[in-house]
Amino acid sequence: EVQLVESGGGLVQPGGSLRLSCEASGFTFRSYDMYWVRQETGKGLEWVAAIGTTGDSHHPDSVKGRFTVSRDDGRESLYLLMNSLRAGDTAVYYCARSKYDFVSGYRYLDLWGRGTLVTVSS
Amino acid sequence: EIVMTQSPATLSVSPGERATLSCRASQSVGNNLAWYQHKPGQAPRLLFFAASTGAPGVPARFSGSGSGTEFTLTISSLQSEDSAVYYCHQYNVWPQVTFGGGTKVEIK
Repeated sequence: EVQLVESGGGLVQPGGSLRLSCEASGFTFRSYDMYWVRQETGKGLEWVAAIGTTGDSHHPDSVKGRFTVSRDDGRESLYLLMNSLRAGDTAVYYCARSKYDFVSGYRYLDLWGRGTLVTVSS
Repeated sequence: EIVMTQSPATLSVSPGERATLSCRASQSVGNNLAWYQHKPGQAPRLLFFAASTGAPGVPARFSGSGSGTEFTLTISSLQSEDSAVYYCHQYNVWPQVTFGGGTKVEIK
């Protein structure tokens, strides 16, 4: 079955760290760019990390310097290391696959996991 | 950053009736727009990419249209299982994707 399964969420104190994992199955993981997208309760979706097939990584300013995305193609897994966590980082974190559209030349998110909840609170 | 605005925030429709969801971009995204269906506790499900190209398995009652800054998702005859939150997503600038705030579709 083609799927993404996130893990590693939980309760962490402000200033703490957490490492999320996303295990892929059913497709050739190394061939896809991957994303982490989060959703605060009652709010919209926000991308927090993207990583290309060559390991090139990107983060928006809101998490740059605190979050680091990585991948292990051998383990078919995506990771998100989150440091200096704040209350505003409380959200469900989703792992998503970025698929290349050969017609347009652009990439869209075509497969998502169910997410893992991160709560930052004392 | 491209801001995506969805309307309405909530849509209450009777079974069998048409539901029309709107998504507006703050600047042109061409047709680099996707729609997702999200039910509680489930993974978001891709419905359309390239504004109007259906993902595998999407029922024919769903359709996507639009280009530039104005996009529409239409459910021609609403079924009970269509109750969900629907999001639009622009991917015109990689990796700086952005999403709309969502439209919650309720069954009246």
